[in-house]
Parts: sequence; structure tokens; C-alpha cells
Amino acid sequence: EVQLVQSGAEVKKPGESLKISCKGSGYSFTSYWIGWVRQMPGKGLEWMGIIYPGDSDTRYSPSFQGQVTISADKSISTAYLQWSSLKASDTAMYYCARHEYYDSTGTPAKYFQHWGQGTLVTVSS
Amino acid sequence: DIVMTQTPLSSPVTLGQPASISCRSSQSLVHSDGNTYLSWLQQRPGQPPRLLIYKISNRFSGVPDRFSGSGTGTDFTLKISRVEAEDVGVYYCMQATQFPYTFGQGTKLEIK
Repeated sequence: EVQLVQSGAEVKKPGESLKISCKGSGYSFTSYWIGWVRQMPGKGLEWMGIIYPGDSDTRYSPSFQGQVTISADKSISTAYLQWSSLKASDTAMYYCARHEYYDSTGTPAKYFQHWGQGTLVTVSS
Repeated sequence: DIVMTQTPLSSPVTLGQPASISCRSSQSLVHSDGNTYLSWLQQRPGQPPRLLIYKISNRFSGVPDRFSGSGTGTDFTLKISRVEAEDVGVYYCMQATQFPYTFGQGTKLEIK
């Protein structure tokens, strides 16, 4: 069974650093892109970026480029999202999701089927 | 970036009645491979998103057949033929034709 298990909720102060994780299991971790999605309190979904753990190829949304770093450690099947200096505006739920390139029939199809449970990050002084 | 615009942002519906959500993209979502990578997701309160429809009209495994998707190019629609209580939540369209992928603002479906 494919599972993405995210690290637990975090409470941080502005200016602090943070790294949250997303551990994949039940599949070949290096064969699927993993994306990150932000959801600010009471707001919609925002696509942040995506990484291919096989070679660490990473793409960022321009809105998040330079604000966060996406990485992966394929030896432990884990993707990461990190901040070097948090702001109050980083307060949000963060989801990881596995990117599918083909559907069950082998036909090209790009979508996010498997999602992590979410990590709530609260930044407050 | 491709901008995805959903209407309405809120949709009060009577149980058993149909519901329809529109999603418009700022440019064509037809990929160079000929496919259109437009999907619909449902997010129930307190839960991560759940895939309903991919490539405009393909219903994902386990999704009730009261959900259907249609559209071409830049205009897409999600329809629920008869709304049930479990359909309450926020619905998002998402394009995966071009990086960065982008979501619509979300449409909140609620029961009248």
C-alpha cells in the first residue's frame, strides 16, 4: 500500500529554521516525483514545487523560489521542505503528494493521487 | 504561470439536486503530447485533498459515478448529478500541463 507519512506539527518563532519531512513507503521512492502544496488557514491550495528523488531534479513555483528548499534523501525514502528563516506568513498546512505520470492502464496522465496527512506549521512570536 | 479561475466560489445546493462548477484557464491546457492535464480534487473539512477526475473527464477509481468532468482547451466543468451530504467540501481544479502547476481558488459546496 502506497503511503506518504509527514512529520508532526511544528510551532516556531519568526527567524527560526525548519525542515519538515514526507516519508514514502509501499513503492519505489526514486521512481515518482513528490510535490509540496501549501494551504494557509482558511485558504486554498497553492502548488510550491516538486522533486524527483531519483536524481533530485527540482522545480519551484516562482512564488516560492528562494523562499523554501525542497530536497530528498532516497536512502531513507524521504522528501523534505525547509525554511532558513520563518515568517509569520509561513503559518499554514503543508501537504506532500506523489505525482503520477501514467494511470492504471499505462496511459499518460498527470495527477496527484496519494497525499500525506499534512504538517501544520505555526510561526508566532 | 497559468491562472485557473473557478466559478462560483460558493455553491449552496439542495440534497438530491445537481451542482456544477466551472474552471477556466488563462491559456490552453493542451499539452504538446496532445493530452489535457486538468484534474479535479475534493477536500473535505480537516482532510487532505482527494483526486476525483483526471485528464478532464476520467473518473478516478472509487469515485461515485454522480461525478463527471467535461470541457476542452480553456473551459472545464465538474458536475455532480445528485448532491449527497458526503459531497460537502471544497472543490479545486488543477492544471498539470505546464510548470508551475496551479490550482483554482476553490469552490465551497454546501447544503442549503
